[in-house]
Amino acid sequence: KNQVEQSPQSLIILEGKNCTLQCNYTVSPFSNLRWYKQDTGRGPVSLTIMTFSENTKSNGRYTATLDADTKQSSLHITASQLSDSASYICVVSAGAGNNRKLIWGLGTSLAVNP
Amino acid sequence: DARVTQTPRHKVTEMGQEVTMRCQPILGHNTVFWYRQTMMQGLELLAYFRNRAPLDDSGMPKDRFSAEMPDATLATLKIQPSEPRDSAVYFCASGFQGWDDQPQHFGDGTRLSIL
Repeated sequence: KNQVEQSPQSLIILEGKNCTLQCNYTVSPFSNLRWYKQDTGRGPVSLTIMTFSENTKSNGRYTATLDADTKQSSLHITASQLSDSASYICVVSAGAGNNRKLIWGLGTSLAVNP
Repeated sequence: DARVTQTPRHKVTEMGQEVTMRCQPILGHNTVFWYRQTMMQGLELLAYFRNRAPLDDSGMPKDRFSAEMPDATLATLKIQPSEPRDSAVYFCASGFQGWDDQPQHFGDGTRLSIL
């Protein structure tokens, strides 16, 4: 069964600290993995996409990694800011051709406190 | 910046009433998605369209839900009759063909409460 699991479910950190969010998936065949940020009361916004051949990709203070062998991805946030408080959702594209589907994780809720 | 617009932002109504949610996708996008988000289930795909044609509505309860695209600037999601279990946030998203390697652009959702 295609599944995407994210951990931790929620996280509280102090402003300026770093944190890492995890995404484990069991999908086949794998196409790509994307991280979205969802602010409270808003729709998700794409942060980055990882394909099979990519190990690391950065977008400002956000760095995503992908280990296709262990089927794990992480999102590392450096020098956190109050505006990083949001839910971070991992979504994996699985299947091929017309059978492709997006498998969404439940997200990690991050709170950055002053 | 171009944005996906959803109306209404909030809707509270009684069980059994018809609910219509509207979405204006980003001009030029040719795929439109409808999602439902709850705390327990996360984001669930209800339906998606490409070039206004419905391609997948397998996630949608057919007996009460319907999705249409009357034209390229409007997508609608209707629930009739509504039930308390339909209470959730409904999101519309749009994007380009080749949708799984292109980001989806989400609206800010319709928060629906069925009493």
